[in-house]
Amino acid sequence: AQSVSQHNHHVILSEAASLELGCNYSYGGTVNLFWYVQYPGQHLQLLLKYFSGDPLVKGIKGFEAEFIKSKFSFNLRKPSVQWSDTAEYFCAVGNNAGNMLTFGGGTRLMVKP
Amino acid sequence: GAVVSQHPSRVICKSGTSVKIECRSLDFQATTMFWYRQFPKQSLMLMATSNEGSKATYEQGVEKDKFLINHASLTLSTLTVTSAHPEDSSFYICSASSQGYEQYFGPGTRLTVT
Repeated sequence: AQSVSQHNHHVILSEAASLELGCNYSYGGTVNLFWYVQYPGQHLQLLLKYFSGDPLVKGIKGFEAEFIKSKFSFNLRKPSVQWSDTAEYFCAVGNNAGNMLTFGGGTRLMVKP
Repeated sequence: GAVVSQHPSRVICKSGTSVKIECRSLDFQATTMFWYRQFPKQSLMLMATSNEGSKATYEQGVEKDKFLINHASLTLSTLTVTSAHPEDSSFYICSASSQGYEQYFGPGTRLTVT
């Protein structure tokens, strides 16, 4: 069975600060990795995904994530956050058999203007 | 592209009644649809997976007789919460996938059972 762990439950940053949200997973096979964002009152949106290839993945809105296989990690980063990045962020792992997703517990990010 | 809608967005029902939630893929054919439940301040928990024309596969601990899922076409899946109770109050989210590894999520339905 696959599992996903997001260690930071709540993060508070000031605008222009750098962001890194941790995500670790456990799964025995080939994984597909995702980061989703849920803005207040809105539905989940895909930020970025990793299937194969370059382990450094760039997504929308200036976000990127790095897949480190040896550490079973897929941390999300953004060099300079904005107030509009206030949202909840979910890391998810998909199996290779066909798009079953397991979500982490989520990280609630608050960016102070 | 890849838009998924849900209807209704909010529903309030009395204990003991049944509620149907629709999930539609608007611009693509969804071979697989997923139903999740999200409690306040918690993550999404997969309830069931449905493939068009087949019976849904339920996750452990999810009562199939209580949460009826129908995926009759490539653009529509429905979740019916039967004999709803207050503990069924939650945010129900569907997602749809088209033979790929990416799921597109609907906006969710907030169910309140009084």
